[in-house]
Amino acid sequence: AIQLTQSPSSLSASVGDRVTITCRASQGISSALAWYQQKPGKAPKLLIYDASSLESGVPSRFSGSGSGTDFTLTISSLQPEDFATYYCQQFNSYPQTFGQGTKLEIK
Amino acid sequence: EVQLVESGGVVVQPGGSLRLSCAASGFTFDDYAMHWVRQAPGKGLEWVSLISWDGGSTYYADSVKGRFTISRDNSKNSLYLQMNSLRAEDTALYYCAKGRDPVAGTELDYWGQGTLVTVSS
Repeated sequence: AIQLTQSPSSLSASVGDRVTITCRASQGISSALAWYQQKPGKAPKLLIYDASSLESGVPSRFSGSGSGTDFTLTISSLQPEDFATYYCQQFNSYPQTFGQGTKLEIK
Repeated sequence: EVQLVESGGVVVQPGGSLRLSCAASGFTFDDYAMHWVRQAPGKGLEWVSLISWDGGSTYYADSVKGRFTISRDNSKNSLYLQMNSLRAEDTALYYCAKGRDPVAGTELDYWGQGTLVTVSS
């Protein structure tokens, strides 16, 4: 199975900061990667698909990039509602897998 | 409005069986593959299984292969997960999620709120 390793596992930042989360795949997955946001007690929400496509309704401060094995999720200017846990997911091959998550906390 | 509503989660003894259901509405159910994803308490997301639009293709995580069976009834707009030989490590919130392709794995654009399965004696 393809392993996805996210870094950092946790991150403290302030409102207005620019934040980048990295997801590294154990083998190439082309652009078959998605990013999700999960808040406590809620289901995950799709933010980015195909590595860099912004899901409809998601604010433009979220962006994704990368292909092959290295991917990033960037939040250009953190808002209070962005403090949550973020997961990457690969769908290049089965079994599909998720990264372990990155918890973004308020500094 | 797309809605996915899971049910069937309960407390079950190790070695027991359980069937989860997911009722879908607000989209053409038989146009899309469907998935189950689980989340153990305080842990991350784990993809469990996928079924193609017609049930003709199914895929599983190694951790559940041979014990879990995914199925669907397009006439009832419903997705199922039959869980056998349950273990303590199967304890989790189980989410039903919609894919964007009829057959292949893709991003998951809609999720239910989950149903909790607890495996304990």
